[in-house]
Amino acid sequence: KNQVEQSPQSLIILEGKNCTLQCNYTVSPFSNLRWYKQDTGRGPVSLTIMTFSENTKSNGRYTATLDADTKQSSLHITASQLSDSASYICVVSDYGDYKLSFGAGTTVTVRA
Amino acid sequence: EAGVTQFPSHSVIEKGQTVTLRCDPISGHDNLYWYRRVMGKEIKFLLHFVKESKQDESGMPNNRFLAERTGGTYSTLKVQPAELEDSGVYFCASSQGSGGFEETQYFGPGTRLLVL
Repeated sequence: KNQVEQSPQSLIILEGKNCTLQCNYTVSPFSNLRWYKQDTGRGPVSLTIMTFSENTKSNGRYTATLDADTKQSSLHITASQLSDSASYICVVSDYGDYKLSFGAGTTVTVRA
Repeated sequence: EAGVTQFPSHSVIEKGQTVTLRCDPISGHDNLYWYRRVMGKEIKFLLHFVKESKQDESGMPNNRFLAERTGGTYSTLKVQPAELEDSGVYFCASSQGSGGFEETQYFGPGTRLLVL
């Protein structure tokens, strides 16, 4: 069973609207959680990183939250743009281990 | 600064053939990682190089996969002989420093492998 679960699997939103993606993980001991954006045909690019003591981190219109107690994270996209269409991947690091655990991703499609 | 590059971008081969994927990390990055994403699944770790040495190859699926990083610069991943289940996207990533869990790994665009 994968240690990082994401939902929804995909979603479609209208340009200018907001959306929230969810990530639940069981990786333990926890080190940090990253959200990556992967455009079609490209490799994943890091958007945010949060450690155990952080519960929110912003990068422009992207805001990530982390609840280390419930092992949940969310990524909120504000005022979506067409360029936000991509796969968003939640990635969790085990403390002391460089190996990353990836979620399957949420595919976001922004329509005009 | 150039990012991580991978070659080829796509490869279509027949079962039983050999394919070699190449990854050029960001200049100066000692750590190089290979990952794979098979259809509908999450990206999974294959192995980790520190310079020319294999630090961890626990994710390599079987002995049909051979990774090398001669000279500690670019890396190759050879699949011989390829099987249908090897189809997927192979990503390479690199990072600076000690390769610890706090470092950002920079990913290449991936090589899309299709085995027929």
